[in-house]
Amino acid sequence: DVKVTQSSRYLVKRTGEKVFLECVQDMDHENMFWYRQDPGLGLRLIYFSYDVKMKEKGDIPEGYSVSREKKERFSLILESASTNQTSMYLCASCMNSNEKLFFGSGTQLSVL
Amino acid sequence: AQKITQTQPGMFVQEKEAVTLDCTYDTSDQSYGLFWYKQPSSGEMIFLIYQGSYDEQNATEGRYSLNFQKARKSANLVISASQLGDSAMYFCAMRDRRNEDSSYKLIFGSGTRLLVRP
Repeated sequence: DVKVTQSSRYLVKRTGEKVFLECVQDMDHENMFWYRQDPGLGLRLIYFSYDVKMKEKGDIPEGYSVSREKKERFSLILESASTNQTSMYLCASCMNSNEKLFFGSGTQLSVL
Repeated sequence: AQKITQTQPGMFVQEKEAVTLDCTYDTSDQSYGLFWYKQPSSGEMIFLIYQGSYDEQNATEGRYSLNFQKARKSANLVISASQLGDSAMYFCAMRDRRNEDSSYKLIFGSGTRLLVRP
């Protein structure tokens, strides 16, 4: 089975901290995605990557950056965490855009 | 601009009855794909069904079927014979790209919370 692993299930950080959310997939997928999920807003795409070292902005990239140095790993970076970045963060991957996404179990981030 | 619209924030259905969850979309692409995902209270995202824009038949997967009306740009999910375990959030999603030079990505609607009553 495809596995998408997010390093933390729960994370509590302080305003202004630099935060790294890590995601690893084990199926050699080309495409990886970072979403945030907020009640009433569904899943909103932050950034995605279709190849190593390639990245593309999603719908809400402000305040975030990403890194994809290796195919299996896609990191989401909050340069200076703010309280409005408190959310559930979901990582996903797929081989190509016609295929279903495989999701990680999510990271609930609280910024105090 | 939001391209996937789910107008039902919450719905109830009686166990064993059928229920339709609405989804409308907007795209200028001729080739696109539509997906439905289920998210139970545990938080995991479960893929349910996929419909390609060129598929002539409506997609079906067990008790799930997708009522695809291309001219109306709707892709409603129909769950037949509802079970208590169907209680969850349901998300409609579409493969989309910003422009012809961009890569495809998956965008989601705001979701519908379904509660199945015994």
